[in-house]
Amino acid sequence: TQLLEQSPQFLSIQEGENLTVYCNSSSVFSSLQWYRQEPGEGPVLLVTVVTGGEVKKLKRLTFQFGDARKDSSLHITAAQPGDTGLYLCAAYDNYGQNFVFGPGTRLSVLP
Amino acid sequence: KAGVTQTPRYLIKTRGQQVTLSCSPISGHRSVSWYQQTPGQGLQFLFEYFSETQRNKGNFPGRFSGRQFSNSRSEMNVSTLELGDSALYLCASSHNSQETQYFGPGTRLLVL
Repeated sequence: TQLLEQSPQFLSIQEGENLTVYCNSSSVFSSLQWYRQEPGEGPVLLVTVVTGGEVKKLKRLTFQFGDARKDSSLHITAAQPGDTGLYLCAAYDNYGQNFVFGPGTRLSVLP
Repeated sequence: KAGVTQTPRYLIKTRGQQVTLSCSPISGHRSVSWYQQTPGQGLQFLFEYFSETQRNKGNFPGRFSGRQFSNSRSEMNVSTLELGDSALYLCASSHNSQETQYFGPGTRLLVL
């Protein structure tokens, strides 16, 4: 069982559509990060959420941390082909030792 | 400020050989972590080094090892390579342990 679960696993949408991807766990986290990774490159940090219920916006991306700090969502408004990539959530495990990643959501935005 | 750099970017080895990968962290960052990424297992934590000491280790066999130098640069070594070691190896640095990590572009290793 993975510490972090992500859904959906794959998502293919048309340019201009909205979408939401989810990151869930049964564990409570002090903070959670979202990354985007493009093929052949390392993950790039998008945001860190810390406070339960927190909402952060990054242009067309809106990140929310659940009230109980067990889950998070990423909403993209009016998706563009440049949003294509693997979206990963990550957090330190319960012992604060290992930085674990979810399996990711692979997003494809078609022009 | 320059980002995390990794060398080489691509590497082809054969089974049984060993390989050393290098990572230069962002200037001022003292923590370096290594990850293995494969299509089947996703991103998995290998180990973390902080001030030349291994702080944490993931669930990988002893064939995987690493070290960190006084300038915070790090190397990881994989001995007796197996086909399943083919992966993208990512290095990430952070100012201190358990802080936000910044990733390098990775080294893609292919074991034949």
